[in-house]
Amino acid sequence: GNSVTQMEGPVTLSEEAFLTINCTYTATGYPSLFWYVQYPGEGLQLLLKATKADDKGSNKGFEATYRKETTSFHLEKGSVQVSDSAVYFCALSDRASGTSYGKLTFGQGTILTVHP
Amino acid sequence: KAGVTQTPRYLIKTRGQQVTLSCSPISGHRSVSWYQQTPGQGLQFLFEYFSETQRNKGNFPGRFSGRQFSNSRSEMNVSTLELGDSALYLCASSSSKSSYEQYFGPGTRLTVT
Repeated sequence: GNSVTQMEGPVTLSEEAFLTINCTYTATGYPSLFWYVQYPGEGLQLLLKATKADDKGSNKGFEATYRKETTSFHLEKGSVQVSDSAVYFCALSDRASGTSYGKLTFGQGTILTVHP
Repeated sequence: KAGVTQTPRYLIKTRGQQVTLSCSPISGHRSVSWYQQTPGQGLQFLFEYFSETQRNKGNFPGRFSGRQFSNSRSEMNVSTLELGDSALYLCASSSSKSSYEQYFGPGTRLTVT
């Protein structure tokens, strides 16, 4: 079956530091990959996506590249801000499988705290 | 465009009771998925509806059920509540038939006492 593994947190950084959150996946078909962010007391917001190998998703300074050879989709940001403090989830959707309609498979989430 | 809305936002129920949660998708979206989020199990898929039909179901007991109406609004029902059903229930909608890109609502926080 499909699965997503994220680096364990929590991750604590100082403002303007470089961020990497590792994500690897296992999928039987042709997955689309996503990063979602969850702020306290809120639902999930789609941060970025990539639908095929070598695609790079980017948004709000965050980037992630779909690497099929290493089955990875690591999230990076060059300079984090206090407002980036949140929980980040890596997820996949296996479009090729009819049994996967509407189903996102999530990693366990990584808590990021950024200090001034 | 208005986002996904969920009602109520907070709910407190007693063991053995039943509960109904509601979700209104983004206008034009026909697919609605439901997830349960708990600290121990993380985010788990419950089920997905498209055009009033359940197309996919996660690994949850039959106490968890759902439906979708012709206007794409969806409800989920949990009967005979257990303490372990305490969770954040998230609804997500998608515009594509493949429903792979999903947009989430704020969730309903259910507490079972």
